Amino acid sequence: DGGITQSPKYLFRKEGQNVTLSCEQNLNHDAMYWYRQDPGQGLRLIYYSQIVNDFQKGDIAEGYSVSREKKESFPLTVTSAQKNPTAFYLCASSIGRTQEQYFGPGTRLTVT
Amino acid sequence: RKEVEQDPGPFNVPEGATVAFNCTYSNSASQSFFWYRQDCRKEPKLLMSVYSSGNEDGRFTAQLNRASQYISLLIRDSKLSDSATYLCVVNMAGTALIFGKGTTLSVSS
Repeated sequence: DGGITQSPKYLFRKEGQNVTLSCEQNLNHDAMYWYRQDPGQGLRLIYYSQIVNDFQKGDIAEGYSVSREKKESFPLTVTSAQKNPTAFYLCASSIGRTQEQYFGPGTRLTVT
Repeated sequence: RKEVEQDPGPFNVPEGATVAFNCTYSNSASQSFFWYRQDCRKEPKLLMSVYSSGNEDGRFTAQLNRASQYISLLIRDSKLSDSATYLCVVNMAGTALIFGKGTTLSVSS
């Protein structure tokens, strides 16, 4: 089955710790994205990547970092510099930037 | 002006009703348009793309009005399972997709 996987589904961390969220896709899509969603809010773009070894900041990149060493993988690190890290994090991929995106099941991160 | 605007609702309708959602976008150069569905605490899922000529998929009809810069989604014969949040999504020229905040639909028996 082709698709996007994110792990873990739930993640709990103490304030001040960095945490890395996993995103893998086997759809052979070139573009990958990370979004954050807060309760009652829309999706906000954190980072995106159109090709391997290249990525761009989205609207709310501060306190986050990414890498794109492989086409299939686009991990997101939530650093201790992120002021309000508790949120629902969604990874997506698409064939191209203007094409429809397909989402993974998301990771709910809680930082206390 | 926000890039993609939707009435947040909620829209509360009985089973069998017809309901319509509208969405406006700010950039006249936008090229791609989509409707996504998001269930509570789940990821968004593509419902349908929106084409200039309008398109239909079963009980769902999407239309695009470029002159007025709005997109609509019509749901006929609403089912309980249609209860969800519907996201309007637009590609602004040269950018990634822009997601609206969504319109919540609640269908009751």
